[in-house]
Amino acid sequence: QQQVKQSPQSLIVQKGGISIINCAYENTAFDYFPWYQQFPGKGPALLIAIRPDVSEKKEGRFTISFNKSAKQFSLHIMDSQPGDSATYFCAAPSNTPLELVFGKGTKLTVNP
Amino acid sequence: DTEVTQTPKHLVMGMTNKKSLKCEQHMGHRAMYWYKQKAKKPPELMFVYSYEKLSINESVPSRFSPECPNSSLLNLHLHALQPEDSALYLCASSQGGVRGSATEAFFGQGTRLTVV
Repeated sequence: QQQVKQSPQSLIVQKGGISIINCAYENTAFDYFPWYQQFPGKGPALLIAIRPDVSEKKEGRFTISFNKSAKQFSLHIMDSQPGDSATYFCAAPSNTPLELVFGKGTKLTVNP
Repeated sequence: DTEVTQTPKHLVMGMTNKKSLKCEQHMGHRAMYWYKQKAKKPPELMFVYSYEKLSINESVPSRFSPECPNSSLLNLHLHALQPEDSALYLCASSQGGVRGSATEAFFGQGTRLTVV
């Protein structure tokens, strides 16, 4: 069964700083790794995703870095803003088709 | 449009009640999901429908009964729930298939369920 280990559990960053969240996965036959952002009382929103034919993907202030040999991927939030304060989940495909396995989540707090 | 619509947003029900949660998407996605999420935890997969057929049932108690009337709609029928079933119930959809976009799932806003 696929497992995804996410760290840190919580993160406090000052406005304008860089937030970094890391995930590690186990073997998988499927190559798709999304990150979700969830605000309290809301559903998770797909933030950014990567397929490991590339080592990095950037969308605005959000960047995913992917290291296939180490089975690790990370989310970098540049110029972090108070509005980025949310819980972030990484995910990876299970060995079962259609099933995603989520990390335990990182609660990000960006102080003004 | 990447919208998955869930109703109701909030639901309070007694342990003897029968209620249903509804989910709708118009993205042409052929896979639809029910997840349960407890506070400060990741979403936990309950059911997956693929091409309107139940594909995955993660050993969910029979008091939860899913239904997929058509490719755009997904229901979750609730009966004789327990207080520990109180949670945020999330619906999601994805294009379907085995690889790649099968896992690009879009979530609804959820139904906050409280069982009293």
